[in-house]
Amino acid sequence: KNQVEQSPQSLIILEGKNCTLQCNYTVSPFSNLRWYKQDTGRGPVSLTIMTFSENTKSNGRYTATLDADTKQSSLHITASQLSDSASYICVVSAKFFGTASKLTFGTGTRLQVTL
Amino acid sequence: DSGVTQTPKHLITATGQRVTLRCSPRSGDLSVYWYQQSLDQGLQFLIQYYNGEERAKGNILERFSAQQFPDLHSELNLSSLELGDSALYFCASSARGEKLFFGSGTQLSVL
Repeated sequence: KNQVEQSPQSLIILEGKNCTLQCNYTVSPFSNLRWYKQDTGRGPVSLTIMTFSENTKSNGRYTATLDADTKQSSLHITASQLSDSASYICVVSAKFFGTASKLTFGTGTRLQVTL
Repeated sequence: DSGVTQTPKHLITATGQRVTLRCSPRSGDLSVYWYQQSLDQGLQFLIQYYNGEERAKGNILERFSAQQFPDLHSELNLSSLELGDSALYFCASSARGEKLFFGSGTQLSVL
């Protein structure tokens, strides 16, 4: 069964600090891994998409890494800001019949950045 | 703004009733996905349409149905509503399935 597990479930950090969110997956056959940011009551917004051959991808202060061998990914947030307070969702895509893709969503890490 | 429009933003109704949620995808996107997000839960995939045809089905109840029209907008119909159906319902669209663009969601409250 395809699964995506994220840790920690929630996290509180001080503004300006860095943090790292983890994602472990058992999805096969692997196509790509995506990180989304979801503000409370809003739709998720894509941060990064990584394929099998990509180890690192950055989007401003967000850097995602992927280790396809261990099936782990991390999202590192640098110099956190209050606006980073949100849920961060790891989503893994599996190739399905060669064309369409099947997405498995993690339950997210809820990040709160405080003063 | 993702370019995906969902209406209404909020919906309050009673148990046993039927509601219709509407989604207009980004211009040119052929795929539409529907997701349900209950309080403090992850996104649950309901159903996907591609250019008017059902492409994939997830954990969608038999009381729920959806369709995609020739102009590519989609509707999600929820009937015989129960308290547990209260949730945020998101629509997303994509061009080729690589990057999903989500709407702002419809908050459904069943009283």
